[in-house]
Amino acid sequence: RKEVEQDPGPFNVPEGATVAFNCTYSNSASQSFFWYRQDCRKEPKLLMSVYSSGNEDGRFTAQLNRASQYISLLIRDSKLSDSATYLCVVPRDNYGQNFVFGPGTRLSVLP
Amino acid sequence: NAGVTQTPKFRVLKTGQSMTLLCAQDMNHEYMYWYRQDPGMGLRLIHYSVGEGTTAKGEVPDGYNVSRLKKQNFLLGLESAAPSQTSVYFCASSYSRGWQETQYFGPGTRLLVL
Repeated sequence: RKEVEQDPGPFNVPEGATVAFNCTYSNSASQSFFWYRQDCRKEPKLLMSVYSSGNEDGRFTAQLNRASQYISLLIRDSKLSDSATYLCVVPRDNYGQNFVFGPGTRLSVLP
Repeated sequence: NAGVTQTPKFRVLKTGQSMTLLCAQDMNHEYMYWYRQDPGMGLRLIHYSVGEGTTAKGEVPDGYNVSRLKKQNFLLGLESAAPSQTSVYFCASSYSRGWQETQYFGPGTRLLVL
């Protein structure tokens, strides 16, 4: 299994739709996880951190399944501005000094 | 606060030329990172630093060198550029150990090696 794998997409959804992405990871000792958002030709920016079973921030919900080693990101009521690539990030070590970025899932929200 | 800045934004090199990419942060962060991003691949860590005067190799360090002489600056050097080093380079910083900390990224440097 690769260190971090993501649904490649692209996901094309209409405005208002609910969409979910999955990310699987290989390091069972990982304690924390991150979702970053990257707009086209821009730098990644943190969307959400996940330390326990999950996290919710407005329309965004991240859920962690340690037994199956995957993290999901759910976006409700999609907006045009949600169009971006979503990167799953997992620490490679237990010191927080080294990270593995997934290849990203591209989302296009259509009017 | 400017956050994380990178210089230059874009550069074209010929094979064998050298250059230095500069990353600067004004957030007093201890940790700094250099990544490269290629199409269809995730960001890959080149080198990182856990404090002034320290550096360590990441996942893809070959062909690159780094220095962190000042806390706010992290330099990435290419001694002899190769076409395989054509990529977008991102610098990032975080306050402390990354597993609990947000990484703040610079806007990126697009490098083309001919």
